[in-house]
Order: sequence, then C-alpha cells, then structure tokens
Amino acid sequence: AQKVTQAQTEISVVEKEDVTLDCVYETRDTTYYLFWYKQPPSGELVFLIRRNSFDEQNEISGRYSWNFQKSTSSFNFTITASQVVDSAVYFCALSEVLRGAQKLVFGQGTRLTINP
Amino acid sequence: GAGVSQSPSNKVTEKGKDVELRCDPISGHTALYWYRQSLGQGLEFLIYFQGNSAPDKSGLPSDRFSAERTGGSVSTLTIQRTQQEDSAVYLCASSLSLAGGGTGELFFGEGSRLTVL
Repeated sequence: AQKVTQAQTEISVVEKEDVTLDCVYETRDTTYYLFWYKQPPSGELVFLIRRNSFDEQNEISGRYSWNFQKSTSSFNFTITASQVVDSAVYFCALSEVLRGAQKLVFGQGTRLTINP
Repeated sequence: GAGVSQSPSNKVTEKGKDVELRCDPISGHTALYWYRQSLGQGLEFLIYFQGNSAPDKSGLPSDRFSAERTGGSVSTLTIQRTQQEDSAVYLCASSLSLAGGGTGELFFGEGSRLTVL
C-alpha cells in the first residue's frame, strides 16, 4: 500500500532562516508521482510541485527547492530565506494510478511557523 | 466556474441528522475526489469518481457515508445519522484524466466545514 510519512509535525523558525521539510514515501509502483501542497491559514490547498518517478533532477523555483532521491524514497522540500508568508501546513503526497486517474495519498502534514 | 466549488461552506447540524455536501468540479475534469480533514490532521481519502462511476470507495468510514455523481459533473456526499466524530472539513478535488492530458494535479475546493453538535 502507498504510504507517505512526514515525520516533522511542527517546525518553527525565525524569518530568513532556511528550513527543510522531510517526506518519505513507500510504494511498489515503478511509475508514480510525488507532490507538495501548501495549506495556508485560509484553508485552501495550493499546488506547489509535481515530480514523476523517472525524473530525479532537483528543482528550484525562487526560494523553494525540492530534492528527490529514489534511493532513500525521499522528496524533501527546502525553503530558503523563509518569510512570514510561508507559514502554512505543507503536505507531501504520492499518487496511485487508478483507471486512468490518480488518487493522491497524503502525509499528515508539517505545520511551519515563520516568526518575525 | 473557474475553480472547484463546494457548498455549503459551513454546516452546523445536530447529532443524528442527515447532511448533504455538494461539489461542482472544474468543467471538463472527469475525475472527482472527496477527502476529509479533521482538526489538525492530514487529508483522509474517502472516495473517487471517474465519470459517474466510483472505482474506489475504500475510504468511506462507514455505511452512513455515501456519494454519487451525476452527468459526470456535480457530486453529492451524504452523511446519514451524523455523529460528533464526523465533524471535519470535507474537501472536494477534481482533475483531468491522464488520457485526457492531465498531469495528476488535483484542484481543490475550499471545503465544507461540518460541525455536529
């Protein structure tokens, strides 16, 4: 069965610090997708990134970067020079292909608080 | 509409009453998902639709929960004889099928917050 583990329940840092959110997954599929979503205090889930299992290149988008390592089944997310607006709950998710669509299995989330 | 629309945004009900939650997905999205998020918890998968059929109902917590989708569009999640532990935010998401050019990204609505007194 698919499983996503986000071991860090809560993280609190001071603004401008770098912070890494860990994500470890389990799957027997050879083809799968990994995602990160952000849930700010307003509640809506915001898509951040999708990575397929064949692409292990790290990705950088502004202050955000992602490190995908199949050898350790991890897909970690780093925020550089954090800002107060980054405060949110962040979810890592793993896809399971079901009849042409993808069901996402989510981790429990990491609540990130950036203090001014 | 431009995004996934859910109604009601907030629902307070008494224990034992039935409730219906509605989801209007993004036009053209063939896949529709219901998730539940209890206070401070992650997202718990409930059910998924591909068109009008539900290939995966494995997440429904009990037989008090049911869902349907008609016309490949709007979906209704029904909870019968509500219990206090049903209190949560019920999130709906939709996506294009992979065959339809989807990338697997789920687009979420803002959720329906259910409080059972």
